Amino acid sequence: KQEVTQIPAALSVPEGENLVLNCSFTDSAIYNLQWFRQDPGKGLTSLLLIQSSQREQTSGRLNASLDKSSGRSTLYIAASQPGDSATYLCAVRTSTNAGKSTFGDGTTLTVKP
Amino acid sequence: DVKVTQSSRYLVKRTGEKVFLECVQDMDHENMFWYRQDPGLGLRLIYFSYDVKMKEKGDIPEGYSVSREKKERFSLILESASTNQTSMYLCASSSPPLAGVVHNEQFFGPGTRLTVL
Repeated sequence: KQEVTQIPAALSVPEGENLVLNCSFTDSAIYNLQWFRQDPGKGLTSLLLIQSSQREQTSGRLNASLDKSSGRSTLYIAASQPGDSATYLCAVRTSTNAGKSTFGDGTTLTVKP
Repeated sequence: DVKVTQSSRYLVKRTGEKVFLECVQDMDHENMFWYRQDPGLGLRLIYFSYDVKMKEKGDIPEGYSVSREKKERFSLILESASTNQTSMYLCASSSPPLAGVVHNEQFFGPGTRLTVL
């Protein structure tokens, strides 16, 4: 059974700092990995999707990497801003589990002005 | 712009009531999902559907049922609401993991905050 872990659970940084969020998974037979952002009381917004054949994806100040062999993904946020404050979740879709994803518990990020 | 909509943002019901939560997507996706999200427990899959009239139990199906009569609509039904079903309910949709299909992103609705008194 796939297990997804996100460490740390919470992170507080000053504005302008570059930061890395981590996501680990136990079953490397993944189909894709998706990073989401969730603001309090809201739904999840898709940030980046990495297919199993890819090593990284970039969107603006965000860069997500994938290392299947080590069961890890990182989300890099450059030049953080107070508007980046949110909970970030990763979700892993495994090849053997058609359509379903396993979610981590998320990292709650606070960017202080 | 792709969109998943949920019928209500906030809902308050009484114990024992039958509750319907509706979800509609406009992306022609085959897969649709219902999750609940609770503090300390994360996102948990209740049911999902990979085609019209098809459904599969997720991790916590007890106390819930679903209906998928049309491709764009996936309904979650609480047959007899209980206080332990107070939660944030999130609907999502995605295309299936097919070879050659690049984008299989999962898209979420805004959520329904259900309170059962």
